[in-house]
Amino acid sequence: QSALTQPASVSGSPGQSITISCTGTSRDIGGYNYVSWYQQYPGKAPKLMLYEVTYRPSGVSDRFSGSKSGNTASLTISGLQPEDEADYYCNSYTSSSSWVFGGGTKLTVL
Amino acid sequence: QLQLQESGPGLVKPSETLSLTCTVSGGSISSRSYYWGWIRQPPGKGLEWIGSIFYSGSTYYNPSLKSRVTISVDTSKNQFSLRLNAMTAADTAVYYCARHLGLWLTTLHYWGQGTLVTVSS
Repeated sequence: QSALTQPASVSGSPGQSITISCTGTSRDIGGYNYVSWYQQYPGKAPKLMLYEVTYRPSGVSDRFSGSKSGNTASLTISGLQPEDEADYYCNSYTSSSSWVFGGGTKLTVL
Repeated sequence: QLQLQESGPGLVKPSETLSLTCTVSGGSISSRSYYWGWIRQPPGKGLEWIGSIFYSGSTYYNPSLKSRVTISVDTSKNQFSLRLNAMTAADTAVYYCARHLGLWLTTLHYWGQGTLVTVSS
């Protein structure tokens, strides 16, 4: 199975909004609403930020939001803060009864 | 508070079999509400789901690794384990165990801290 496609890097200034895209196929993102997003700091385990496209686990800031259109899912972070600088990974269920991750996006807060 | 801890060798020789164990505390692996999974991340690279298991032993595997992977559960010890055979340098990675948010069609939620496994002679 092929990894989902994410931009290698995105950047933004504090207070701004940024969007990270995640492109798959009809066999994964396009076929299911089981898309999630993870935040990972260097040397740390990933942290779940969004699941089932738009839902936030308890404790996750409402500055994080998600959407999906066709085969592409998106993570938007509004009111960018320095602590948002991290790697972000998307994840989707697939028609092969498996889970696939994106290649990851490094977010830099300028 | 749920905690997961990976354990196993940090160094494995090429062609050998990796065995890792995930010990769960603060929750029961026998819960009928959750799947448990393994994920890996090569140094400097992205995440790869390896497979997941239910307390009953029901498993799902990554199709690209299925021929080399076995995941098992030991409810008496509140642990689940990963075996990956025919290891090569490409299997060098940080290996994480995690609990799904719920049953199979839910994403991975709580993660262990990870353990680095290096494949080298």
